[in-house]
Amino acid sequence: GDSVTQMEGPVTLSEEAFLTINCTYTATGYPSLFWYVQYPGEGLQLLLKATKADDKGSNKGFEATYRKETTSFHLEKGSVQVSDSAVYFCALSDTPTQGGSEKLVFGKGTKLTVNP
Amino acid sequence: DGGITQSPKYLFRKEGQNVTLSCEQNLNHDAMYWYRQDPGQGLRLIYYSQIVNDFQKGDIAEGYSVSREKKESFPLTVTSAQKNPTAFYLCASSIQENYGYTFGSGTRLTVV
Repeated sequence: GDSVTQMEGPVTLSEEAFLTINCTYTATGYPSLFWYVQYPGEGLQLLLKATKADDKGSNKGFEATYRKETTSFHLEKGSVQVSDSAVYFCALSDTPTQGGSEKLVFGKGTKLTVNP
Repeated sequence: DGGITQSPKYLFRKEGQNVTLSCEQNLNHDAMYWYRQDPGQGLRLIYYSQIVNDFQKGDIAEGYSVSREKKESFPLTVTSAQKNPTAFYLCASSIQENYGYTFGSGTRLTVV
């Protein structure tokens, strides 16, 4: 079945450092890809998404490009802040059955801590 | 503002009790989902529902039950058959393909 593999954390960076969180996937068909962020004690929030190959999703300084040839969707940010400390989840949407709604498959999450 | 409301935020259950977690949305989304989150294991799908009065088991449905009598509501019951219920439970909804999910803020269930 479809699966998502994220780099294991935790990741600890200093403020203004460059961030990369790797994400690769296995899927049949052409899934959409997502990054979600979870702050302590809260639910997940959609950070960005890409629906087809070579699309770039971006939001709040974060970016990720849908690379079909390498089946990857790595999350990057040029200069992280303390407020970016959270858990980040990569996800893909499987191909829904006819008339059905999508189901997301999540990676295990990567905890990021940014120190001042 | 539209969104998903989960209640309560914290819930304590005694051994052998059933408890029900509430999930309500006013987004007019057709599909709703329940996930369980454990440290280091990511999110695992418990149940999902695509339309009213219909729902399907996810990957870890044993010991759980759901109902979908209204479009807005998708309560989850954790039964006494669930041997390790302590976890963070997340409800989500979606409207269409490639849209992604909107999540609630979660309920933390602890067995005492």
